[in-house]
Amino acid sequence: DQQVKQNSPSLSVQEGRISILNCDYTNSMFDYFLWYKKYPAEGPTFLISISSIKDKNEDGRFTVFLNKSAKHLSLHIVPSQPGDSAVYFCAAAGDSGGSNYKLTFGKGTLLTVNP
Amino acid sequence: NAGVTQTPKFQVLKTGQSMTLQCAQDMNHNSMYWYRQDPGMGLRLIYYSASEGTTDKGEVPNGYNVSRLNKREFSLRLESAAPSQTSVYFCASRAGQGRGYTFGSGTRLTVV
Repeated sequence: DQQVKQNSPSLSVQEGRISILNCDYTNSMFDYFLWYKKYPAEGPTFLISISSIKDKNEDGRFTVFLNKSAKHLSLHIVPSQPGDSAVYFCAAAGDSGGSNYKLTFGKGTLLTVNP
Repeated sequence: NAGVTQTPKFQVLKTGQSMTLQCAQDMNHNSMYWYRQDPGMGLRLIYYSASEGTTDKGEVPNGYNVSRLNKREFSLRLESAAPSQTSVYFCASRAGQGRGYTFGSGTRLTVV
């Protein structure tokens, strides 16, 4: 049973436009959510996160929105740049950083930003 | 700072062979993790170690063993490799009460 779902395997947008990546989760115990970005032949790198006590977190061109009632989060990239082309993983966790803390990842969405 | 270092970067094994994937971090992190990434499957947790001296199974532990040798090092062993273990393996670490991981660059393993 997949607890973190990214239903769009791929997304293609034009440079300068908005990219919206979506993620749904099923586990009500999740209270922290992260987005990771991965380039080919590299490890994932942290992009942005949000705690369940917030509904929005912004960092430069990246904004994450959380809708707890719908168990849905989204990542907005504005404006999109060709260097943003990568696989984006949504991840979730509970246990507030304790000893049982571990991230559950979605399957990823390949974003392609066309010049 | 090297961060999280994984060796080797690439490996080809024959079915039934054994090998150990090495992971070391120099950030004094308490927790370490092994994930595998397969096409269309995302990242799945194999084993993790919350602190030195402890290890726990993740989502897909069958066919693997781990050793938390010390605070820096967390190794993953395949005792008898199978083609289903062909994957990219990522090691990650996490500081104390921190909520994010730092990942290594991965080991691409092919079992023929």
